[in-house]
Amino acid sequence: DIQMTQSPSFLSASVGERVTLSCRASQNINKYLDWYQQKLGEAPKLLIYNTNNLHTGIPSRFSGSGSGTDYTLTISSLQPEDVATYFCLQRNSWPYTFGAGTKLELK
Amino acid sequence: QVQLKESGPGLVQPSQTLSLTCTVSGFSLTSYSVHWVRQHSGKSLEWMGRMWSDGDTSYNSAFTSRLSISRDTSKSQVFLKMNSLQTEDTGTYYCARNELGAFAYWGQGTLVTVSS
Repeated sequence: DIQMTQSPSFLSASVGERVTLSCRASQNINKYLDWYQQKLGEAPKLLIYNTNNLHTGIPSRFSGSGSGTDYTLTISSLQPEDVATYFCLQRNSWPYTFGAGTKLELK
Repeated sequence: QVQLKESGPGLVQPSQTLSLTCTVSGFSLTSYSVHWVRQHSGKSLEWMGRMWSDGDTSYNSAFTSRLSISRDTSKSQVFLKMNSLQTEDTGTYYCARNELGAFAYWGQGTLVTVSS
């Protein structure tokens, strides 16, 4: 199985700050990488699919990049409603595997 | 409006079988795949399996021997059955609709507790 490693596990940032979350795969996943946001008590929500495609209705402050084994989710200007845990998911190989998540809080 | 809703027993005894239903609306099961994903106590997510739009299934090998996914297209329902449940199977179970390859729409999840 492909292992997905997210860093950092926990991040504290200020409103308006640029935030970068990372996800590293144990092998090349050919950009089949999604990002999901999960707020407390809610189901995950798709933000970005296939590395850099913004899902319908997601604010443009979210963006994704990467290739090969290394991928990044960037929030250009952190908003209070962005407090959540963020998960990456690889869909290049079966079984699909998620990272352990990055918990994002406000400073 | 795309909606998915999981339902199930809530509490299952160890060694018993879990049966969950995902009832969908706003789309046809013959047009979109549906995945099952579980989450242990707010921790990471685990992909369990997929019901393809053509009725085929794919499973995570971690569950293959005890997991079964089926559907009733006339009722717009996808079913998950997993036997030999243990306490480590406790968690929230989600169904999610596939779109553009990703898990674009999720149900609210159903909490399953395995305990005697």
